[in-house]
Amino acid sequence: NAGVTQTPKFRVLKTGQSMTLLCAQDMNHEYMYWYRQDPGMGLRLIHYSVGEGTTAKGEVPDGYNVSRLKKQNFLLGLESAAPSQTSVYFCASTPGLAISYEQYFGPGTRLTVT
Amino acid sequence: GNSVTQMEGPVTLSEEAFLTINCTYTATGYPSLFWYVQYPGEGLQLLLKATKADDKGSNKGFEATYRKETTSFHLEKGSVQVSDSAVYFCALRSGTYKYIFGTGTRLKVLA
Repeated sequence: NAGVTQTPKFRVLKTGQSMTLLCAQDMNHEYMYWYRQDPGMGLRLIHYSVGEGTTAKGEVPDGYNVSRLKKQNFLLGLESAAPSQTSVYFCASTPGLAISYEQYFGPGTRLTVT
Repeated sequence: GNSVTQMEGPVTLSEEAFLTINCTYTATGYPSLFWYVQYPGEGLQLLLKATKADDKGSNKGFEATYRKETTSFHLEKGSVQVSDSAVYFCALRSGTYKYIFGTGTRLKVLA
């Protein structure tokens, strides 16, 4: 199993450009998440999904959109990138509702917006 | 609301020293507790977990005990190695989709 994979690994955007980050998991997990990690701020939840076709907002959703058309994929879109979106983005998944389940993380995407 | 507080770093130790990273939590109900480790340039990976009071999670020489009376889940290792240098995150999950993470503690181990 590849686990959770993310593409791309690195990207540099100019202000106002758009892009999509792809997260894929091969563990048949129900729940998927997008986080951003900034120095000194830990992980902040952007959006999450509790199943195919569903999405919901997390703590910091502004400027991002998501889609989960297939159970194994969770896409994060930036419609008009801003320098404040420079960050490392992590995708994670978990099997479902039971609180004993841990999250499985991808390797991250380092995004720089100039 | 639910929250996790962990000691601020960085923590710098010599090889073979004893490690403690403190973590306390606030949660309704009976959360599950986790420690994740992040090596440079990588994603977070589960180090250990405990799902009920008095459980001890352990892995790779690291241990943490779920203490409900003190709402704590402190991470310990008896003898650290240079390869343990990383950022450590304490986290909880309590009854919803959401995981609550601490801000992370950077550990640097010197040879």
